[in-house]
Amino acid sequence: EAQVTQNPRYLITVTGKKLTVTCSQNMNHEYMSWYRQDPGLGLRQIYYSMNVEVTDKGDVPEGYKVSRKEKRNFPLILESPSPNQTSLYFCASSFDRINSPLHFGNGTRLTVT
Amino acid sequence: GENVEQHPSTLSVQEGDSAVIKCTYSDSASNYFPWYKQELGKGPQLIIDIRSNVGEKKDQRIAVTLNKTAKHFSLHITETQPEDSAVYFCAASTIYNTDKLIFGTGTRLQVFP
Repeated sequence: EAQVTQNPRYLITVTGKKLTVTCSQNMNHEYMSWYRQDPGLGLRQIYYSMNVEVTDKGDVPEGYKVSRKEKRNFPLILESPSPNQTSLYFCASSFDRINSPLHFGNGTRLTVT
Repeated sequence: GENVEQHPSTLSVQEGDSAVIKCTYSDSASNYFPWYKQELGKGPQLIIDIRSNVGEKKDQRIAVTLNKTAKHFSLHITETQPEDSAVYFCAASTIYNTDKLIFGTGTRLQVFP
């Protein structure tokens, strides 16, 4: 089944404790992206990647890192999480760039205390 | 940069009635306008999209209209059913930045039996 898989689905952590949210897609998509969803703000792009070893900042990249060492994986790294990073995070992929349909994972709800 | 405004934020309709969600965009260079549906506990899923060379597109009970002069586009759902209850997001991207999709803030649609 074609899908984008994120793990974990739920994560509660404390300020400053490094964490990684994994994202994997099995559709051989070139484009991958991370979004955060907050009430009243919609979906905002954090980082995106056009292909292996190619990443770029989205609209809200501060406090986040990403890597794209393999085509299928695109982990989101929070080196020192803070409470304002409490949010619902989505990974997405598409065949090429934005004008192809985005396929989203089921989300990771992160709480930073 | 591009800005997308979406209204209303919540919408309640009786089963069988029509629902309309409207979005306005700021950048006249925008040329791709997808709509995503997010069911509870899941990631958004593309339901319909339209490009700037088309004024209207239909897919069964769903239609999208685009008014380039006024810079707004709308989602129309006819004969609504309880399973249409979800959060709907509009989005837009421009011809000069196909790497970035700007989302609206979402509309929570509730269809009452």
